[in-house]
Amino acid sequence: GDSVTQMEGPVTLSEEAFLTINCTYTATGYPSLFWYVQYPGEGLQLLLKATKADDKGSNKGFEATYRKETTSFHLEKGSVQVSDSAVYFCALNNFNKFYFGSGTKLNVKP
Amino acid sequence: DTAVSQTPKYLVTQMGNDKSIKCEQNLGHDTMYWYKQDSKKFLKIMFSYNNKELIINETVPNRFSPKSPDKAHLNLHINSLELGDSAVYFCASAGGFMDTQYFGPGTRLTVL
Repeated sequence: GDSVTQMEGPVTLSEEAFLTINCTYTATGYPSLFWYVQYPGEGLQLLLKATKADDKGSNKGFEATYRKETTSFHLEKGSVQVSDSAVYFCALNNFNKFYFGSGTKLNVKP
Repeated sequence: DTAVSQTPKYLVTQMGNDKSIKCEQNLGHDTMYWYKQDSKKFLKIMFSYNNKELIINETVPNRFSPKSPDKAHLNLHINSLELGDSAVYFCASAGGFMDTQYFGPGTRLTVL
């Protein structure tokens, strides 16, 4: 069946460091791919998405490219801030059925 | 305007009780979901409704019963609550196939 695998956390970085959170997926067909962010005590918010191969989603300095050949959708940011501390979820939507990764907690220290 | 709202935000109750969580979306979406998030942040889908019809029913005890009176509402009723039901429950909605899901703020359920 369809599934999403993302790197385990927590990931701890200093402010202005480069961030990569790995995400790979297994799916039949051509799913849409998403990154969601969950700040402490809140619900999940859409961070970015890509709907077809080679699309790049971007928002708030975060980027991820839909790589069909490697079935990956890694999240990157060039310079993280303390306010980026949150849990990040990779997800796919395949015919209205969503699959989420286990979440990666990011801690950014000043 | 809140796109997806849930009530209550916090729910503390005793084992064996019956409780309900309500969810409403004002986005005009056809599909709504319930998720359970455990203490390790793992998110598990429980149910999905499309136009008031159940389309996903994962392996969930039958103590959990969703009800969709119209396509803007999806309520979750839980009978005979158990300690293991303690979690944060999220409602979400989506407009259609391959669309983005929008999440509610969550309901933190604590069973004592």
